[in-house]
Amino acid sequence: AQSVTQLDSQVPVFEEAPVELRCNYSSSVSVYLFWYVQYPNQGLQLLLKYLSGSTLVKGINGFEAEFNKSQTSFHLRKPSVHISDTAEYFCAVSDRYAGGTSYGKLTFGQGTILTVHP
Amino acid sequence: DAGITQSPRHKVTETGTPVTLRCHQTENHRYMYWYRQDPGHGLRLIHYSYGVKDTDKGEVSDGYSVSRSKTEDFLLTLESATSSQTSVYFCAISESPDASTDTQYFGPGTRLTVL
Repeated sequence: AQSVTQLDSQVPVFEEAPVELRCNYSSSVSVYLFWYVQYPNQGLQLLLKYLSGSTLVKGINGFEAEFNKSQTSFHLRKPSVHISDTAEYFCAVSDRYAGGTSYGKLTFGQGTILTVHP
Repeated sequence: DAGITQSPRHKVTETGTPVTLRCHQTENHRYMYWYRQDPGHGLRLIHYSYGVKDTDKGEVSDGYSVSRSKTEDFLLTLESATSSQTSVYFCAISESPDASTDTQYFGPGTRLTVL
């Protein structure tokens, strides 16, 4: 079984400040890791994903995330946030694709609401 | 944007009534998923489909059933709605389950209130 824990339910920050949203995961098998963003009253949009290789992953809108296997973490960062980054962010995990009965099911964290203040 | 629509977008119903939510896609993707979103729980998988007439249960399937009679439509039915099923429901689609090549795309959601 897999689980995802987002360590902060809400993160307030001022515009142009850096931000880190924390995510820890638990799994008995190798996984893929994702960050999704949900703007108010919209569906989810993929920010970035870690599949393998380099532990630093760059995504859209200037976000990046670092995979740390020993700490089972996948924290999301942005060096300078904008008002438009105000949204809810979800960390998610899925089993690595192994063919056959692998169905790409995602397990999500509880979400972190990022509020950027002017 | 991926061609995913959900209907209705908002619905208010009473306890004990059946409710059907529809997810329609124009991408011809094989895999479709239903999630519910609740504060403090993120999104949780209800049911998923890996082809026409091929469906299976997710993490929180009790009280829900699904059907997929054609590639483009995935229906979620609450057989007898309860207040605990008040939630926002999201449909997602994917061409394959391999995240190394494909992404799950999400619909705009349906907000369901059960009184």
